[in-house]
Amino acid sequence: NAGVMQNPRHLVRRRGQEARLRCSPMKGHSHVYWYRQLPEEGLKFMVYLQKENIIDESGMPKERFSAEFPKEGPSILRIQQVVRGDSAAYFCASSPREGIYYGYTFGSGTRLTVV
Amino acid sequence: SQQGEEDPQALSIQEGENATMNCSYKTSINNLQWYRQNSGRGLVHLILIRSNEREKHSGRLRVTLDTSKKSSSLLITASRAADTASYFCATDARGAQKLVFGQGTRLTINP
Repeated sequence: NAGVMQNPRHLVRRRGQEARLRCSPMKGHSHVYWYRQLPEEGLKFMVYLQKENIIDESGMPKERFSAEFPKEGPSILRIQQVVRGDSAAYFCASSPREGIYYGYTFGSGTRLTVV
Repeated sequence: SQQGEEDPQALSIQEGENATMNCSYKTSINNLQWYRQNSGRGLVHLILIRSNEREKHSGRLRVTLDTSKKSSSLLITASRAADTASYFCATDARGAQKLVFGQGTRLTINP
């Protein structure tokens, strides 16, 4: 069981470019959550997805950010036209059922640096 | 706004001592969870305590929950250098389907 796999581990983008972050949940997990963490801070919720559905995107900025979890393949967090303020660690977590009742399994994160 | 707030923000103790971290939250919850994060890594789930439970143990970890005070504590007994990490509490607000994390307590165990 490979756990939650995120790639890339580190991503450097120039301002205005697109960043695409991938998350493969644990085998058997159909619930995926994305969080953002700034240095020395806690995790901020971004979006909760189930296969082919966005359940809660209340933490997603209205512009430039989107997420998907297709029937086949990993979940993707996409940031268009990145700005310096997007620099952060982005963590994906998964759970077999609603994670609020059972706990999340986290990936190691993608560290995005915008230069 | 944060649902959970940890206290203290940072804690430094000697190896072998006990470490206590506190978490306060604002709204009714179904359960409260504690996670550990080593520097530069993802979070690891430590323990979950349901709203109808008052205390739970797992190895050297002891968690208490006081729903009347909307607070929880995490006690690590006989600390080790490997316990050095940040510790986060996470709660679900009733009706929400996501966990909300606090700012964390940075624990340093000095050898």
